[in-house]
Amino acid sequence: GAGVSQSPSNKVTEKGKDVELRCDPISGHTALYWYRQSLGQGLEFLIYFQGNSAPDKSGLPSDRFSAERTGGSVSTLTIQRTQQEDSAVYLCASSSVGSGANVLTFGAGSRLTVL
Amino acid sequence: AQSVTQPDIHITVSEGASLELRCNYSYGATPYLFWYVQSPGQGLQLLLKYFSGDTLVQGIKGFEAEFKRSQSSFNLRKPSVHWSDAAEYFCAVGGNQGGKLIFGQGTELSVKP
Repeated sequence: GAGVSQSPSNKVTEKGKDVELRCDPISGHTALYWYRQSLGQGLEFLIYFQGNSAPDKSGLPSDRFSAERTGGSVSTLTIQRTQQEDSAVYLCASSSVGSGANVLTFGAGSRLTVL
Repeated sequence: AQSVTQPDIHITVSEGASLELRCNYSYGATPYLFWYVQSPGQGLQLLLKYFSGDTLVQGIKGFEAEFKRSQSSFNLRKPSVHWSDAAEYFCAVGGNQGGKLIFGQGTELSVKP
């Protein structure tokens, strides 16, 4: 697509429920990133995909967090047994290869609220 | 350790005044440096980037930044601020092999009429 698309834009859930957040990157972008932005905080790196592989998942905060990417395109970030501290905006970004490899294009984010 | 520091959490400037937002980085290899802007409720938009060459880089919306290797800094500047520049600004660093960017905590800019 023309830009990075994320869904849902807003999600309210109850503590203990599982949630899935989806990211559809720019067509042809091989790299995909997930970041988390908590209120008043900077961007916290979660995981990076190159194709369908995740060479860097060092930022996933706990084993409740997982992500996958299929077909070198769409990615899903899953949070199991959500906690209130998981409330944040989850941002997805994608980038191409070569000279554009470091230029991340971000989606508008998915705002997660855990009650 | 790799990190980015933006010392100013919040800055207020008058419309028409000049602006400088500070960014210092720590990175073990050749750094690629970026400034992004985030307007309320929006995603991040790339303002400018430095990969190599001329250390003064021009970006969109009249912004520029200067890379100073000796000071490990990449400060963002604008000669005359407009009310529409009110937003949060993030500095980031990455490597030349792709991979993640490390972001600073951000600087919130307010513009007084």
